Amino acid sequence: NAGVTQTPKFQVLKTGQSMTLQCAQDMNHEYMSWYRQDPGMGLRLIHYSVGAGITDQGEVPNGYNVSRSTTEDFPLRLLSAAPSQTSVYFCASHERGETQYFGPGTRLLVL
Amino acid sequence: QKEVEQDPGPLSVPEGAIVSLNCTYSNSAFQYFMWYRQYSRKGPELLMYTYSSGNKEDGRFTAQVDKSSKYISLFIRDSQPSDSATYLCAMRKRAGGTSYGKLTFGQGTILTVHP
Repeated sequence: NAGVTQTPKFQVLKTGQSMTLQCAQDMNHEYMSWYRQDPGMGLRLIHYSVGAGITDQGEVPNGYNVSRSTTEDFPLRLLSAAPSQTSVYFCASHERGETQYFGPGTRLLVL
Repeated sequence: QKEVEQDPGPLSVPEGAIVSLNCTYSNSAFQYFMWYRQYSRKGPELLMYTYSSGNKEDGRFTAQVDKSSKYISLFIRDSQPSDSATYLCAMRKRAGGTSYGKLTFGQGTILTVHP
């Protein structure tokens, strides 16, 4: 039981490049979320999903896309990377009303 | 104004001290309250989860909620160097629909417990 896994651990992008951050969970959780963490800002919700095929926006969705075709996977796509998207990204999964389990994070640097 | 405010510290205490961490919030719709601990370069992990006003104790940790004042606290007794981490408060509105997926976090408090 690996819990929540994220790849890559670290990535450097140039402005304008696109990429996908991967997130997978093996706990059969219904809910999955993406957060970004910036110094002095805590974690801010980007997008979340309440089940396969159902997603919704969080607090800071601009510049990011998500889709959820399976229960296990919830990838986050950066369409055209900007320096403001330099951050640490965390994926989380949980059952309704239960605690959220976080992955180890992806550190992204956009030059 | 942020919905959830948390003093970012940093907070440095000697081993054995009692630590008090606090968050205030402005939206009375928040009904569920959590404290997460985050070690350096790791993901957050849940420490405490409370719903009602009052105290909840788990070992050396006590979570306190005062809904009338919109104020929550985490107390750590007999603090240890292994408690050195960032502590994040988080809260969620009443269950229903898609609200289960929406946590609002405080900024996090960096705690160092020195031997």
